[in-house]
Amino acid sequence: ELKVEQNPLFLSMQEGKNYTIYCNYSTTSDRLYWYRQDPGKSLESLFVLLSNGAVKQEGRLMASLDTKARLSTLHITAAVHDLSATYFCAVDRPPLGGGADGLTFGKGTHLIIQP
Amino acid sequence: DAGVTQSPTHLIKTRGQQVTLRCSPKSGHDTVSWYQQALGQGPQFIFQYYEEEERQRGNFPDRFSGHQFPNYSSELNVNALLLGDSALYLCASTLGGSIYEQYFGPGTRLTVT
Repeated sequence: ELKVEQNPLFLSMQEGKNYTIYCNYSTTSDRLYWYRQDPGKSLESLFVLLSNGAVKQEGRLMASLDTKARLSTLHITAAVHDLSATYFCAVDRPPLGGGADGLTFGKGTHLIIQP
Repeated sequence: DAGVTQSPTHLIKTRGQQVTLRCSPKSGHDTVSWYQQALGQGPQFIFQYYEEEERQRGNFPDRFSGHQFPNYSSELNVNALLLGDSALYLCASTLGGSIYEQYFGPGTRLTVT
């Protein structure tokens, strides 16, 4: 069974600080996704990481993937209040017979950025 | 460009009842996946529909069933509702039976009392 673990699950930080969210997964996987969810809202896609060593950046967020360590990180640089949200990582593992087996999500990291 | 739409937005049902949730995929997409997100948890994959057939299924009981119509829209049906079925139900669409770059809808909040 594919397991995805995020840490920390809760993070309170001040504006201007840097921090990293970690995502570990239990088996080999082709793709890793990062999503943002605001309270009561749906999921917004942030990054799709497709290969070992992949790094993507958008504004103050940067995501990376190490498939050998089965680890992805989401790094926040000089945090601002607008980045307060819950962040999920998710992994897919196409079944041997082809098709798609759905995404397996972590429990999410609830991020609060205080002025 | 129409995104993924879901209806209704909110729903309150009583234990033992049945419920139907609806989803229209993003324009140009033909594949719909359904997820259940309990409060404070990550979404869990229920099943995926492509070419009007259930292609993959997560670890959910047979009380959860679905359908896909020729216009690619989809329904999720849940029978014999339990209190534990209370959750946000998310629909995601993509193209060609894949799950790469899924687009999520706004969700339906189901409360079972």
